Amino acid sequence: SAVISQKPSRDICQRGTSLTIQCQVDSQVTMMFWYRQQPGQSLTLIATANQGSEATYESGFVIDKFPISRPNLTFSTLTVSNMSPEDSSIYLCSVGVAGGISGEQYFGPGTRLTVT
Amino acid sequence: LAKTTQPISMDSYEGQEVNITCSHNNIATNDYITWYQQFPSQGPRFIIQGYKTKVTNEVASLFIPADRKSSTLSLPRVSLSDTAVYYCLVVRGRLTGGGNKLTFGTGTQLKVEL
Repeated sequence: SAVISQKPSRDICQRGTSLTIQCQVDSQVTMMFWYRQQPGQSLTLIATANQGSEATYESGFVIDKFPISRPNLTFSTLTVSNMSPEDSSIYLCSVGVAGGISGEQYFGPGTRLTVT
Repeated sequence: LAKTTQPISMDSYEGQEVNITCSHNNIATNDYITWYQQFPSQGPRFIIQGYKTKVTNEVASLFIPADRKSSTLSLPRVSLSDTAVYYCLVVRGRLTGGGNKLTFGTGTQLKVEL
């Protein structure tokens, strides 16, 4: 199994500012995923981050708003740019398992973001 | 990917067996059925995955009928600590590269009481 940590665990930010969330994995992984979970809601995939290439964004999410970096096989960042109160959510990263069964992923503990 | 439908909530008591059913009428030939558990303020945790018939691990059993249009997650002898949201997902078959994007539905909130 993979152990995933995220920083910060929570933050309160003012509208118009940006926050970068870090995701660190204890082993090398090919694919990392970023999700958003709004209060009381299910998870929504934001983008898939592959090492050495541009992230692939899901419908409704754009790179200007959620730029992602993936500098190596154990680390990724998600930036929430020009924040508004609607961006208040829990942001989670996850990793797949190379060669593993298709639906098995490990999730980080999440970053709880509140925008005022 | 096939859309999934599951009950919004279920209540149970400690020691009982809980069965959560999920329908996925449009499942494709190379899709798998996967279940996750999520506690408050934590990321989802993989429980079990199957393709057909029955899969069992130390946590749960997954029953999938021959037509694969539904599946049932069975939790034996639940305890208070099993109170969580349970998500049923349909996942495209194994890909190279070590990952597969997941589509979460609304999930089932299971509440276990004494």
